[in-house]
Amino acid sequence: AQRVTQPEKLLSVFKGAPVELKCNYSYSGSPELFWYVQYSRQRLQLLLRHISRESIKGFTADLNKGETSFHLKKPFAQEEDSAMYYCALSQYNTNAGKSTFGDGTTLTVKP
Amino acid sequence: DTGVSQDPRHKITKRGQNVTFRCDPISEHNRLYWYRQTLGQGPEFLTYFQNEAQLEKSRLLSDRFSAERPKGSFSTLEIQRTEQGDSAMYLCASSLPPSGRDDEQFFGPGTRLTVL
Repeated sequence: AQRVTQPEKLLSVFKGAPVELKCNYSYSGSPELFWYVQYSRQRLQLLLRHISRESIKGFTADLNKGETSFHLKKPFAQEEDSAMYYCALSQYNTNAGKSTFGDGTTLTVKP
Repeated sequence: DTGVSQDPRHKITKRGQNVTFRCDPISEHNRLYWYRQTLGQGPEFLTYFQNEAQLEKSRLLSDRFSAERPKGSFSTLEIQRTEQGDSAMYLCASSLPPSGRDDEQFFGPGTRLTVL
């Protein structure tokens, strides 16, 4: 069974402070990990995926297979980063198609 | 084509009634997913299609739920004999994955179901 845990329901930081949103997963195969974001009154959209190793809007995430984690980080948070963030896991290298989402973390960046 | 669309956006029904939701994916996408989301939780996988074939179905999907994608384009999700516990946001997503890999899913705005 695959599972994604986001331990923090709510996270609040001040503008300019570093931010880390935690994500832990359990899966016996090769996972593909994603971070999705939902801004107020918008639909869920992809923020970044581990396989691309890219930085989007200043966010990065590193897959740590030893710790089974995929934490999302940004060195200097901005007010426009306030949103709901979901970590998601899919099965890599299969056609299984099932994705498992965490329950999300609401990030609030205060001015 | 401006993205995934879902219809209706809101549905209020009485317990015991049947409801049907429609999802129109991005036109070239061959995968289509249905999720259910309740307050305070993340999207919960229900089922997915590769073209017209329904390849996986969650155990959460009881016999009252059925989904179709008859021509590999739009999809419908029907709930029969609705129960109050069916009240949730129903999300549809589509993707065009590279072979052998999952990929970015594009989500629709969702259909919010309220069962009275």
